[in-house]
Order: sequence, then structure tokens, then C-alpha cells
Amino acid sequence: EADIYQTPRYLVIGTGKKITLECSQTMGHDKMYWYQQDPGMELHLIHYSYGVNSTEKGDLSSESTVSRIRTEHFPLTLESARPSHTSQYLCASSERAGIGFWYFGPGTRLTVT
Amino acid sequence: KNEVEQSPQNLTAQEGEFITINCSYSVGISALHWLQQHPGGGIVSLFMLSSGKKKHGRLIATINIQEKHSSLHITASHPRDSAVYICAVSTGTASKLTFGTGTRLQVTL
Repeated sequence: EADIYQTPRYLVIGTGKKITLECSQTMGHDKMYWYQQDPGMELHLIHYSYGVNSTEKGDLSSESTVSRIRTEHFPLTLESARPSHTSQYLCASSERAGIGFWYFGPGTRLTVT
Repeated sequence: KNEVEQSPQNLTAQEGEFITINCSYSVGISALHWLQQHPGGGIVSLFMLSSGKKKHGRLIATINIQEKHSSLHITASHPRDSAVYICAVSTGTASKLTFGTGTRLQVTL
């Protein structure tokens, strides 16, 4: 049973809209991540957090922002959506640094028209 | 050269065949992960290895730390095994994963 949740699962939105993708986990993990994945392509890290009030940009430049006010919640916000943001966004959490099992959310498939 | 290389990139097998997917890495690691992603779906963690061998049902994962190589085996493959299998490594105390490019497996009847 998945312990990491993402909403919405699918979202179609017009250019210029502000959107927030939600991610929550019930496992008490400090470490959480957002990945972007285009169809058939590798995962690219866009943001990560090592705990409350800790956020870092990932390897892929992104126009999104994140916040981590509570351990269980790691939302990702796009202030002004563009067609280039069309992609799948995957949230993940891990048990601890180095050796730790990873858990992935079901993903949010975003289409910006 | 990617730090994590997988082979083959694509694999088609008939139901019942024994399947092997390989992963080689070029960095020191603290753990290696095998992940599964069905078309249009999220990612499921199959194994986390730092040494030796692990088995779960029809899936077996092995790792050779000296040779920097891991294999994922599927015995008695079934069409429901059709998915992309991704090898990923975590290094030192860094909590980020470095992903391979994935192996797309198609199992036919």
C-alpha cells in the first residue's frame, strides 16, 4: 500500500495559471524529492528537502518552487504555467542518508495548453 | 559517460523465459536500487542492495561491489512483468539517487 500520495494525478491547465502539486507521506521521512520525467525519458531531480525548512534546487533547472513547513508535506508550485512545463512530476521520500529505501508517489501528469 | 549504465536498453522475451538486466556503475556507492515503472505509472522500489543477493518472489537481484556491477533476474517471466526497470545508486552520505537510463522489458505470450 502506497504511503506517499500525490494530488492531483492528472491536471490540464492553461498557460499563465498558478498551480500547486501536492505530495504527502505518512512515514515520517525527513528526505523528500521532486523529479520531472518526460515520456520514455530519465528522471531529473528538480528539488529536494532534508527536513523541515530545508529545501534545495536539484540538478535540472526549474521555474518551480517548493516549501517544507511540515515533515509530511512537500508541495511544488508553478507560479505561471507554460507548455514547456508539460511533463510527469514524481515525488519521492527516503528513509535516511546513503543506505535507505526509497518510496515514490504515483505521479502527477501535467499538461499545460 | 553516465555514472550508471544499463543493458540492454530494450528487451523482448516470451512468457516463461529467464531474463537478466545488467547495471554497471563507475562511482563508489552506499547502496544500489532496482526500481520498476509500468507504462504511465509511478515507480516501485524492488530492491535495495549493498552486498550479496536478494530474492523476492520471481525476482532476484545480485551485486558485486568489487566489479561495480549488479544484475536483476526475472524467472518464469510473465506479461505483467512488462515495464521499465531502472537501476539507481546512492553515494556516500548524499541522499540523492543517480539513475540509469532504464531497460524497457516487453514479455509476450
